[in-house]
Amino acid sequence: DSGVTQTPKHLITATGQRVTLRCSPRSGDLSVYWYQQSLDQGLQFLIQYYNGEERAKGNILERFSAQQFPDLHSELNLSSLELGDSALYFCASSEMDSNSPLHFGNGTRLTVT
Amino acid sequence: AQSVTQPDIHITVSEGASLELRCNYSYGATPYLFWYVQSPGQGLQLLLKYFSGDTLVQGIKGFEAEFKRSQSSFNLRKPSVHWSDAAEYFCAVGVPGGFKTIFGAGTRLFVKA
Repeated sequence: DSGVTQTPKHLITATGQRVTLRCSPRSGDLSVYWYQQSLDQGLQFLIQYYNGEERAKGNILERFSAQQFPDLHSELNLSSLELGDSALYFCASSEMDSNSPLHFGNGTRLTVT
Repeated sequence: AQSVTQPDIHITVSEGASLELRCNYSYGATPYLFWYVQSPGQGLQLLLKYFSGDTLVQGIKGFEAEFKRSQSSFNLRKPSVHWSDAAEYFCAVGVPGGFKTIFGAGTRLFVKA
């Protein structure tokens, strides 16, 4: 058990809809990362927060947004969903920055129909 | 920008045989290097990491990896593979002082009896 909790585990929704994925980091970790894993794109870095502030951005679409709250949990919001957004979305946490190993949650599987 | 290449999409080895998974990185200096393993339906778990010092690092589950600066490589090895090692393995690179970890495309390991 990594200590990182992601909810929900599965999500099925229709095109054009909006969903929110939630992540609680491991106790003591200040950084939260979001990754998207799909068969054709592999594991893609989306965005990172450290202690409530955005620190790095990867291949995150404008339709996607995230935030980290004062209690350090994070939410990833996906809007105007398309079929191609179907993927596994992972949250990971670490103590600080890339010096620290990442601890991954078990992911949220999003299916857009 | 840093990048990671895992040349082998999948590898099949017999149980009890030795294993080597290849990883090459591109970065101007010495990065932080990681190997993660992902079992089906699970998040990624850290196997081992290299930050500095001894170029041969030991990890969990009997894995080791060797950092070779001249070859920009960080190959993962295990002397005797067990059926439970069947999973996907990801090499990753972190920039010292940076804020994101970049993952390779992964190598899926199949173990045959």
